[in-house]
Amino acid sequence: GENVEQHPSTLSVQEGDSAVIKCTYSDSASNYFPWYKQELGKGPQLIIDIRSNVGEKKDQRIAVTLNKTAKHFSLHITETQPEDSAVYFCAASIVSEKLVFGKGTKLTVNP
Amino acid sequence: EAQVTQNPRYLITVTGKKLTVTCSQNMNHEYMSWYRQDPGLGLRQIYYSMNVEVTDKGDVPEGYKVSRKEKRNFPLILESPSPNQTSLYFCASHPLGGLSYGYTFGSGTRLTVV
Repeated sequence: GENVEQHPSTLSVQEGDSAVIKCTYSDSASNYFPWYKQELGKGPQLIIDIRSNVGEKKDQRIAVTLNKTAKHFSLHITETQPEDSAVYFCAASIVSEKLVFGKGTKLTVNP
Repeated sequence: EAQVTQNPRYLITVTGKKLTVTCSQNMNHEYMSWYRQDPGLGLRQIYYSMNVEVTDKGDVPEGYKVSRKEKRNFPLILESPSPNQTSLYFCASHPLGGLSYGYTFGSGTRLTVV
């Protein structure tokens, strides 16, 4: 089955810097790659997603890139702010529509 | 407000005492799923349901049961809880064919089994 690896497990940046989180997936049939943000005490919330027919997608300060050949995708957060501090999960899905999640990245933005 | 509601938010129980965690969604979603979240292991799927009366095992189904008698409700049942089921549980839903909208997660249930 699908396996998603996520790195790093923890990431600490200064406010205003950029943050990058990387994921790799194993199943070339996967065609949907969402990213979720989980704030303390809350459930994960979808922040951005990308389909396999698109190489890059942006939404204000966040962007996701996908390299289908290498089977990896990344989340980029620019001009980080303290409220970006959270746990971020990547995920991948195949035709069954079951999402397989990475193990998460705890991002800390220091003021 | 479109949401997934889980109850209770926190639960402490003893080994072997049956319990049910409820999950309800108001978005008319066909697909519902239960995940458990453990440190260092991320989110792992327990069970899922594609529609009423249709359920299937996820990656870690041992020790759990589910039912889907109504479209909006998807309770998680622990018939005989054990300490290794101490975890943070999330219910999620999404419309079939609408995967691009992503899963909507509940706020979570923190279960402690002593």
